[in-house]
Amino acid sequence: GAGVSQSPSNKVTEKGKDVELRCDPISGHTALYWYRQSLGQGLEFLIYFQGNSAPDKSGLPSDRFSAERTGGSVSTLTIQRTQQEDSAVYLCASRRGTGGASYNSPLHFGNGTRLTVT
Amino acid sequence: QKEVEQDPGPLSVPEGAIVSLNCTYSNSAFQYFMWYRQYSRKGPELLMYTYSSGNKEDGRFTAQVDKSSKYISLFIRDSQPSDSATYLCAMIRLTGGGNKLTFGTGTQLKVEL
Repeated sequence: GAGVSQSPSNKVTEKGKDVELRCDPISGHTALYWYRQSLGQGLEFLIYFQGNSAPDKSGLPSDRFSAERTGGSVSTLTIQRTQQEDSAVYLCASRRGTGGASYNSPLHFGNGTRLTVT
Repeated sequence: QKEVEQDPGPLSVPEGAIVSLNCTYSNSAFQYFMWYRQYSRKGPELLMYTYSSGNKEDGRFTAQVDKSSKYISLFIRDSQPSDSATYLCAMIRLTGGGNKLTFGTGTQLKVEL
């Protein structure tokens, strides 16, 4: 079956421009996460959506970052006024979870969007 | 200090060797532990997860957790070139952490012919 799909796979943008990154989770997965992976930094949590609950935005690094999830499916991560330090791989993951912790149903990751801010 | 520490490597071993990958953590609230494998330009994929202290085996892979020492390990037996990847440990708190995984930085492994 189809996995988590992210687009674009690569994005080069100029400093100060806005970018939108898209994530199509696995059908039926109610939980969706965004992580950022920088060289030598591991995966950094950004935001978490679970069903119709209010998202956990505690990992967003600044108010230039926002995300939405429409209809409980597709999610868009928006970065406004991009800075060079925003350059990273942005990973989306989903899981089949209607409650409980992530260990019960594993996270399935997409292949990420590699963002380069020049 | 990071909550989860992992040696980034790179670690280079000959084919057939036993590989030991490790993470330490500082917060005793972490109760569930996972190992992910990430190939170049791909997303991480779950290899193993465990809760209890002790060993869990799956084929050539063994996950080991020592909660008293806040230390987890992944052993790979009879390593193959196809095992060359970055290995990330991850863990979850039972309380206060929501459903977020906290990851180590990853160890880059290369298995050479």
